[in-house]
Amino acid sequence: DTGVSQDPRHKITKRGQNVTFRCDPISEHNRLYWYRQTLGQGPEFLTYFQNEAQLEKSRLLSDRFSAERPKGSFSTLEIQRTEQGDSAMYLCASSLAGTGGYQPQHFGDGTRLSIL
Amino acid sequence: AQSVTQPDIHITVSEGASLELRCNYSYGATPYLFWYVQSPGQGLQLLLKYFSGDTLVQGIKGFEAEFKRSQSSFNLRKPSVHWSDAAEYFCAVGALGAGNMLTFGGGTRLMVKP
Repeated sequence: DTGVSQDPRHKITKRGQNVTFRCDPISEHNRLYWYRQTLGQGPEFLTYFQNEAQLEKSRLLSDRFSAERPKGSFSTLEIQRTEQGDSAMYLCASSLAGTGGYQPQHFGDGTRLSIL
Repeated sequence: AQSVTQPDIHITVSEGASLELRCNYSYGATPYLFWYVQSPGQGLQLLLKYFSGDTLVQGIKGFEAEFKRSQSSFNLRKPSVHWSDAAEYFCAVGALGAGNMLTFGGGTRLMVKP
């Protein structure tokens, strides 16, 4: 069973550096989501794609954050000029989108970002 | 906007004892409700979901949850806890139409005493 895959699992970087994370969703899933989870909190929605189109962005997604899904398959999340407050677990999830009502999201193991 | 409250930040139970984790939600329409479990350093695993129909739903690993519309609650239960159930548990509500984005509660950390 090929689930949602995220790379890298851990990233340590210095403040001010740029970082990029990758997410590979379940192959037949056309929706892809990014969430951020800080220590001791529940995940918070950042953005989502349906195929290659980015359809929703949270106010949490500052202009230093950008996400892409160029071919409607894998997605990347880039953070420019990282700050201490960006330290968190970044979770990716995928689901089907259809007319059959709500489709559950399946999560990857996340990328833990630590800013020195 | 939807919201989820998990009143208990930490719960400790003895192995073999019963468990109930509380979840209260706020949502203006029929809610889509979920429980996820997260082990340290891992992603979220779906335990169970409620969309409609029978208000008592069964999930994986022996968990069940009951939807009570009058109380805006969706509490998670297990009759006999195993040491491997120690983890963080998250309740979430999904908004149909808003990209199906999930809103999570703050989580309940479960510790199991031998």
